[in-house]
Amino acid sequence: AQSVTQLGSHVSVSEGALVLLRCNYSSSVPPYLFWYVQYPNQGLQLLLKYTTGATLVKGINGFEAEFKKSETSFHLTKPSAHMSDAAEYFCAVSDNGNNRLAFGKGNQVVVIP
Amino acid sequence: NAGVTQTPKFRVLKTGQSMTLLCAQDMNHEYMYWYRQDPGMGLRLIHYSVGEGTTAKGEVPDGYNVSRLKKQNFLLGLESAAPSQTSVYFCASNMLGGNTEAFFGQGTRLTVV
Repeated sequence: AQSVTQLGSHVSVSEGALVLLRCNYSSSVPPYLFWYVQYPNQGLQLLLKYTTGATLVKGINGFEAEFKKSETSFHLTKPSAHMSDAAEYFCAVSDNGNNRLAFGKGNQVVVIP
Repeated sequence: NAGVTQTPKFRVLKTGQSMTLLCAQDMNHEYMYWYRQDPGMGLRLIHYSVGEGTTAKGEVPDGYNVSRLKKQNFLLGLESAAPSQTSVYFCASNMLGGNTEAFFGQGTRLTVV
């Protein structure tokens, strides 16, 4: 079975500082990996995804993530945090034989002015 | 383009009452899902459907039933609501293929008193 681990439910970052959210996954087959963002009182929307090919993936709003197979990781980064980045971020995994997404528990990001 | 629409957005139920949550998508997606979101738990899959007329259990199916009589609609039913079912419910849909983006509705906030 697939699973995702996100440590640190709440993450505080200063405006202009690096945002780093860690995601580790477990999958017995080559995974597809996703980061979703949820703004207050809204549904989830896709930030970026890795399926095949280039392991460094760029997404919306300046975010990027790198797939590292040897570390079973897909960490999300943004060089400079903005106030508008305050949201909850979810890492998720699926695979070619399984359309269903398995989600991590999420990281609530707070941006400090 | 409406995407995924959930009704209602808010509901308060008394213990033992029943209700149905409606999800409608206009993207001709094969797959549809119902998740529940609880603080610190991420999103957990309740039931899902791989096509019209089919349904399957997810991670936390107890106390819920679903139906997919039309491709564009996926209904989630609570026959006898319990306080433990107080949660935010999200519907999602995507195309066939584990590498495809899932589109989410805005959520239904359900309180059972």
